[in-house]
Amino acid sequence: KAGVTQTPRYLIKTRGQQVTLSCSPISGHRSVSWYQQTPGQGLQFLFEYFSETQRNKGNFPGRFSGRQFSNSRSEMNVSTLELGDSALYLCASSLGGGGYEQYFGPGTRLTVT
Amino acid sequence: ELKVEQNPLFLSMQEGKNYTIYCNYSTTSDRLYWYRQDPGKSLESLFVLLSNGAVKQEGRLMASLDTKARLSTLHITAAVHDLSATYFCAVDSFGNEKLTFGTGTRLTIIP
Repeated sequence: KAGVTQTPRYLIKTRGQQVTLSCSPISGHRSVSWYQQTPGQGLQFLFEYFSETQRNKGNFPGRFSGRQFSNSRSEMNVSTLELGDSALYLCASSLGGGGYEQYFGPGTRLTVT
Repeated sequence: ELKVEQNPLFLSMQEGKNYTIYCNYSTTSDRLYWYRQDPGKSLESLFVLLSNGAVKQEGRLMASLDTKARLSTLHITAAVHDLSATYFCAVDSFGNEKLTFGTGTRLTIIP
């Protein structure tokens, strides 16, 4: 069974640009969550999508947005990049509905210069 | 707001020794997870603890959950170098996929 995949794996962007990250969940999983990991703030929840609807959202500015497609694949977008957005972005998938283990993808390492 | 605290933050152990990592959380939670992360890598699921008194073991790692004390422990027995990594605990709430993570414990096993 294929795991969670994320593309691209590495990305370098300049301040002010925007970026789109992609996540393909495990087949059959309907929930996709996104997390940001930085040395200073640790692992922080961004948002979760289930059946194309955002169900939960973390405390991030509106520059961070996401969406989920009918095949459960998800994208997250960050507009007007700031240096502080440099991080490892992880997506996780689960069956959804609460109480199911989340499986994490390999992550996208974003560097903003 | 749910808060999760882990201690210690850093742990340096000699091979063959035993030690415990502690994870405290602030509000009632239904599930507790332990993950391992190697440098530059993603999170690997170790244990999912779903009820009070739950105990799970895999190799030299054993995790337990006390929901009344809001405490989980990850016990390492006879540590080996391969266990060097950062370990995170995380909790969520019933019906909610949002995981709140602890700060992580960076474990270094010294030969």
